[in-house]
Amino acid sequence: QVHLVQSGAEVKKPGSSVKVSCTASGGTFNSYAFNWVRQAPGQGLEWVGRLIPVVSIRNYAQKFQARVTITADESTGTAYMELSALTSDDTAVYYCATDGGRVPALYYFKSWGQGTLITVSS
Amino acid sequence: EIVLTQSPGTLSLSPGERATLSCRASQSMTSTYLGWYQQKPGQAPRLLIYGGSSRATDIPDRFSGSGSGTDFTLTISRLEPEDFAVYYCQQYGSSPYTFGQGTKLEIK
Repeated sequence: QVHLVQSGAEVKKPGSSVKVSCTASGGTFNSYAFNWVRQAPGQGLEWVGRLIPVVSIRNYAQKFQARVTITADESTGTAYMELSALTSDDTAVYYCATDGGRVPALYYFKSWGQGTLITVSS
Repeated sequence: EIVLTQSPGTLSLSPGERATLSCRASQSMTSTYLGWYQQKPGQAPRLLIYGGSSRATDIPDRFSGSGSGTDFTLTISRLEPEDFAVYYCQQYGSSPYTFGQGTKLEIK
């Protein structure tokens, strides 16, 4: 079972960017994909995007396409999500989650990080 | 985009009762790409069911998933106190990988 540890909470100004990290342990880094999911206060889950590190294939929800970048560093076993042009609507808990990577039937989100609260406020 | 609609929004039951949660997809899909998650306050979601009906690791057998086409169901056969939480369905067969809006299972 992959264990995911995320970076800590941050407060950001409107218009700025944030980069959240997610470090994986207990699995084979190139055997899975990283997803990012967010949850606004009191709301449901919203998928942001996905990266398969071994082949550098990314796809993003259209809503975030213009301002999100997901990357990964195999040497440290860490994935990153950078979100730019922040507004108050981006205030949420951001989760990373891993799935089976290359086979669509395995794309369910088996392991989750603990979540990172990003607050956007002037 | 596949939209998932869960019902009811809130379900009030007592421990020991049976819970039936519904998830309806906006277009027909295979259950191979349907999952269910449980989320408790202040915690990350936890995978319960994948492939429509397969239980994830360490999930008790009182949880079961079923369905096909556009209608899917999560059943909890006998509610335990720790089962009261919010439940989400998700489809992961077609990007964007959408979630339902959730069903809150509360103690009656």
